Amino acid sequence: KAGVTQTPRYLIKTRGQQVTLSCSPISGHRSVSWYQQTPGQGLQFLFEYFSETQRNKGNFPGRFSGRQFSNSRSEMNVSTLELGDSALYLCASSTPDGVENEKLFFGSGTQLSVL
Amino acid sequence: GENVEQHPSTLSVQEGDSAVIKCTYSDSASNYFPWYKQELGKGPQLIIDIRSNVGEKKDQRIAVTLNKTAKHFSLHITETQPEDSAVYFCAASISRSASKIIFGSGTRLSIRP
Repeated sequence: KAGVTQTPRYLIKTRGQQVTLSCSPISGHRSVSWYQQTPGQGLQFLFEYFSETQRNKGNFPGRFSGRQFSNSRSEMNVSTLELGDSALYLCASSTPDGVENEKLFFGSGTQLSVL
Repeated sequence: GENVEQHPSTLSVQEGDSAVIKCTYSDSASNYFPWYKQELGKGPQLIIDIRSNVGEKKDQRIAVTLNKTAKHFSLHITETQPEDSAVYFCAASISRSASKIIFGSGTRLSIRP
């Protein structure tokens, strides 16, 4: 069974640009979450999607947005990039049974560098 | 809200020795405690988890203990091997939702040959 796939692996952007990151969850998983990982702040929750609906959102500015498609694939977008947005962005999908949906399966992440 | 503190931030042990990583949490309502291992260039991988109705859980060389009264839990790795070198994260959650999982700051474990 294929794991969580994130594309692209690396991105270099300049301040003010926007970026879109993609995540394909494990087949059958309907919940997708996004996290930002930085050396200083650790793993911080961005959003959680389930069946195309955003269930929860972390404490990030409105420049960070996301969506989920009917096939459970998800994208996140960051507009007007700032230097501080440089980070590893991780996507995680959760088990489908709803009873243990806090078990997270992470992708390898997209390393975003903002210059 | 929930806060998870993790110690130490770095740990170096001789191959074959044991390693222990400790975490404390603040919200007594937390009921799920997973541990993740992150190798270089990869995302975190769930290696073991424990629920609040269990005091200890073991999986081969890895074990986790939970003390609900003191609100702390620990990861124990015995007979360490080079492939155990990685960053380990503890986490705590008060509900069955990814948004409620709070991660510790991580421990970089190095195994000396």
